[in-house]
Amino acid sequence: GQSLEQPSEVTAVEGAIVQINCTYQTSGFYGLSWYQQHDGGAPTFLSYNALDGLEETGRFSSFLSRSDSYGYLLLQELQMKDSASYFCAVTNQAGTALIFGKGTTLSVSS
Amino acid sequence: GAVVSQHPSRVICKSGTSVKIECRSLDFQATTMFWYRQFPKQSLMLMATSNEGSKATYEQGVEKDKFLINHASLTLSTLTVTSAHPEDSSFYICSARPSGGTDTQYFGPGTRLTVL
Repeated sequence: GQSLEQPSEVTAVEGAIVQINCTYQTSGFYGLSWYQQHDGGAPTFLSYNALDGLEETGRFSSFLSRSDSYGYLLLQELQMKDSASYFCAVTNQAGTALIFGKGTTLSVSS
Repeated sequence: GAVVSQHPSRVICKSGTSVKIECRSLDFQATTMFWYRQFPKQSLMLMATSNEGSKATYEQGVEKDKFLINHASLTLSTLTVTSAHPEDSSFYICSARPSGGTDTQYFGPGTRLTVL
């Protein structure tokens, strides 16, 4: 089968740094994406890794190790508005649908 | 940036009725669109892959006669929930992948369906 594992919950305070890990077991692998979803809203694209290494976009960075079937999302300088669910998702072939993890609920407190 | 719209954003209907949800890519063409369903506090589950001009591909366990998908143009896909029942109440989200370019998918804002 196909599975993506990520922690169910993470808590942190404003200004801190958190890392949300994702390990995957899929029948193929083309790329790893990260999405943010606030309550009642749709997922918002954050980042995409197809190759090993770190991708940085502002306060958010994402890392991928294909050999380890592992990636993470790093959120820096946390703000209250970062409280949301974060999903890792894999595409196992070019142009195919996303296979989502179960999501990590991030709670940021002051 | 790439924008995907969905209509309606929220619908309440009686059991047994049919509901049509539209998904449009506003500033790009999308050969492929995807329909997902999300129950409260759960992840997004793929229902079907919609390809322009051809039949949709449904995931295992999704009834193709109940969830009718039409992808009539490069910017529009529709999902019709036929004879809706309370267990069909969910958040339905579409995504669109720009034709001939990045593998990134852009999500619509979702449609919250409540069947009474």
